[in-house]
Amino acid sequence: SSELTQDPAVSVALGQTVRITCQGDGLRRYSASWYQQKPGQAPLLVIYDKNNRPSGIPDRFSGSGSGNTASLTITGAQAEDEADYYCNSRERKGNHFVVFGGGTKLTVL
Amino acid sequence: QVTLRESGPALVKPTQTLTLTCTFSGFSLSTYEMRVSWIRQPPGKALEWLARIDWDDDEFYSPSLRTRLTVSKDTSKNQVVLTMTNMDPIDTATYYCARTRSDSGTYYLDFWGQGTPVTVSS
Repeated sequence: SSELTQDPAVSVALGQTVRITCQGDGLRRYSASWYQQKPGQAPLLVIYDKNNRPSGIPDRFSGSGSGNTASLTITGAQAEDEADYYCNSRERKGNHFVVFGGGTKLTVL
Repeated sequence: QVTLRESGPALVKPTQTLTLTCTFSGFSLSTYEMRVSWIRQPPGKALEWLARIDWDDDEFYSPSLRTRLTVSKDTSKNQVVLTMTNMDPIDTATYYCARTRSDSGTYYLDFWGQGTPVTVSS
């Protein structure tokens, strides 16, 4: 089982705002990053270190975090945002391990 | 630009050892704070981090797979090699390598290879 917990599935109407959450004790100490994965493709980093966007990622993607919860928000979801989203962080005990959440499948209606 | 590419056998038999190579460009693993991780994803399932090697030769492994994994690097060839012993059908997955960075004490994977599928079957 993962140290980071995500809702298995979330849906959003086209153009609306959606928040995808990730929970884990380690998030009280270490920030989360987020990855988008479309079918048959490798994951793509969309947010790193809580709220930083890599070059080329649309500004409708943003991240936040408080306590043991990190969030990925898509403001004005587009059809092309339909994908699986994974959070990751550092293992809660402070070891140098990477942990991933179980993933959230986002459906854009 | 940064690119990574995994290579290795598509099919291995149970009990065999899997050897995968990650060949990368656009950065050097001898540069301070550069790291490369291995991650796998069984069909229809979530990502699972396996191992990482750092610029200073430090190695880190998933606790659940620690006894079966070895990661090494050849800086001159820009390659990282992962070996996994005693393969089992449950190890069937797509295996990815990814450049790994660190900010504020956490780790994130900013560039990924396209992945290589591995099936374990007799």
